[in-house]
Amino acid sequence: RKEVEQDPGPFNVPEGATVAFNCTYSNSASQSFFWYRQDCRKEPKLLMSVYSSGNEDGRFTAQLNRASQYISLLIRDSKLSDSATYLCVVNGKAAGNKLTFGGGTRVLVKP
Amino acid sequence: GAVVSQHPSWVICKSGTSVKIECRSLDFQATTMFWYRQFPKQSLMLMATSNEGSKATYEQGVEKDKFLINHASLTLSTLTVTSAHPEDSSFYICSASIGNQETQYFGPGTRLLVL
Repeated sequence: RKEVEQDPGPFNVPEGATVAFNCTYSNSASQSFFWYRQDCRKEPKLLMSVYSSGNEDGRFTAQLNRASQYISLLIRDSKLSDSATYLCVVNGKAAGNKLTFGGGTRVLVKP
Repeated sequence: GAVVSQHPSWVICKSGTSVKIECRSLDFQATTMFWYRQFPKQSLMLMATSNEGSKATYEQGVEKDKFLINHASLTLSTLTVTSAHPEDSSFYICSASIGNQETQYFGPGTRLLVL
C-alpha cells in the first residue's frame, strides 16, 4: 500500500463549479499535511497547509480527519487557472522532515 | 524571499556520460537540501537528503554511487548522475529547508534526457 494515495482523476470541472477530492495516508504518526499544486512540467508549489481544525484560503478549503487518516481539498467557484495537478503531501517529522508525496489528482476546469 | 534555483533547466546527453545538476538557495542558507525525481505521470519520489558538510542519506533503492550528492556549502548542493542511461531520463527537482523548519522551497527542476 502506498503511503499517500490519491485518485489520479482527471476531474473535469465546469468553470464556476465546486470540486472536492480526498487523499488517504497510511502512517498514523504523520504530523503535518499539505496540499501542493503542480502545473505541467513545473515544480510543485505550496497551496496550503492543512490544520486539524480545517482551514480555508479564499476559494480553497482543506480538512483533516485523523481518525480515518484522510485529508480533503475543496475548490469553490473553479477558475480556468485552477487546472493543475494537486499533490497531497505528508510530513513525518520523526523521519527528519521528509515529505511524502501522493501521486496527484489532476483537475481540468473547462469553460 | 526563499528562492531556489537549479542549473541547468534541461539537459540532453549521450548514454554513459555524467551529468551534474546544481541546486542553489539564492537568499537564504539551506541547512538541508532534498533531491527528488519525477517520472512522467508519477509523483515526486525522494532520492536523498543532504545536510551541509555531511554525507547524504539516500532512500531505499537509490544507488549512492550512481547519484553522487555534494552539499559543500549552505547555499549549494550538486547531484551528479554518473554513467547516465536512458532509464535515468526524468525530472530532477531539489528543495531546501532552513534549520528544523518543515517548509521546503522547491527549485524549478531539471529535465534530463539521456539518449
